Amino acid sequence: AQSVTQLGSHVSVSEGALVLLRCNYSSSVPPYLFWYVQYPNQGLQLLLKYTSAATLVKGINGFEAEFKKSETSFHLTKPSAHMSDAAEYFCAVSGGSNYKLTFGKGTLLTVNP
Amino acid sequence: DADVTQTPRNRITKTGKRIMLECSQTKGHDRMYWYRQDPGLGLRLIYYSFDVKDINKGEISDGYSVSRQAQAKFSLSLESAIPNQTALYFCATSDTGTSGKSYNEQFFGPGTRLTVL
Repeated sequence: AQSVTQLGSHVSVSEGALVLLRCNYSSSVPPYLFWYVQYPNQGLQLLLKYTSAATLVKGINGFEAEFKKSETSFHLTKPSAHMSDAAEYFCAVSGGSNYKLTFGKGTLLTVNP
Repeated sequence: DADVTQTPRNRITKTGKRIMLECSQTKGHDRMYWYRQDPGLGLRLIYYSFDVKDINKGEISDGYSVSRQAQAKFSLSLESAIPNQTALYFCATSDTGTSGKSYNEQFFGPGTRLTVL
C-alpha cells in the first residue's frame, strides 16, 4: 500500500522568497517519488523525480527536492519564487515496478508581488 | 506537436447522455491511464491498460467504461452521464521500460473539462 500527504492545500509566498512545499509518503516497498506541476488550464508536467539514485534531485525551473528516508519525506524547494511559479503542485509515489502512481491532493502555490 | 492529445478539450452535456472522451499518444508507450481531477481531491485513477488486450479498473471505475482501440488510443465512456461526473479528466501514458523495470513516470495530456448538467 502507498499514500501521499501534502501538508498545506494552499501556500502563499512573496516574489523572491523561499518556496517550500511539503510531501510525506508511505510505501511498503522502496518508493519512486515525483513532483508534478499544473499550470492553469493545462495538464500535469513533471518537475522532478527520485528513482533511488541521488537523494537530492534537481528539476526544471530551479526546483529541487530531497529524499529523506528516515522522515519519509520528499519536500520541494526553490530558493527564490517567481511570479511564473504560481500553479498547483502534486507529489506522487510509485512502488517500484507497481503500475500505480498515487497522488497527493495538491498544493496551490500563490506568488505575491 | 503534443505527445498525448485529448479530445474534446471542453464538453457540456446533459444528465443521461452518453459521452466519449478520446486520448491518443505518439510516445510509443504501452501503458495508458484515465484519471479524474476534482478540487481538493487530487487525481484519482478510473481505468488503466497495460496493452491492447489488458484493461483494469482503478479506484473509481463505477459509471465509466473504456476501450483500447490500438496501442496509441484509449477512450473513456460515460454510458449515462450524471452531474457528479462533472470534473477534469486526464489521460496519461507510461513506458514499461526496456529492462522490464518501470519507474512508472507518467506523461499527461492537456485534459478534458466535462460538465454534466
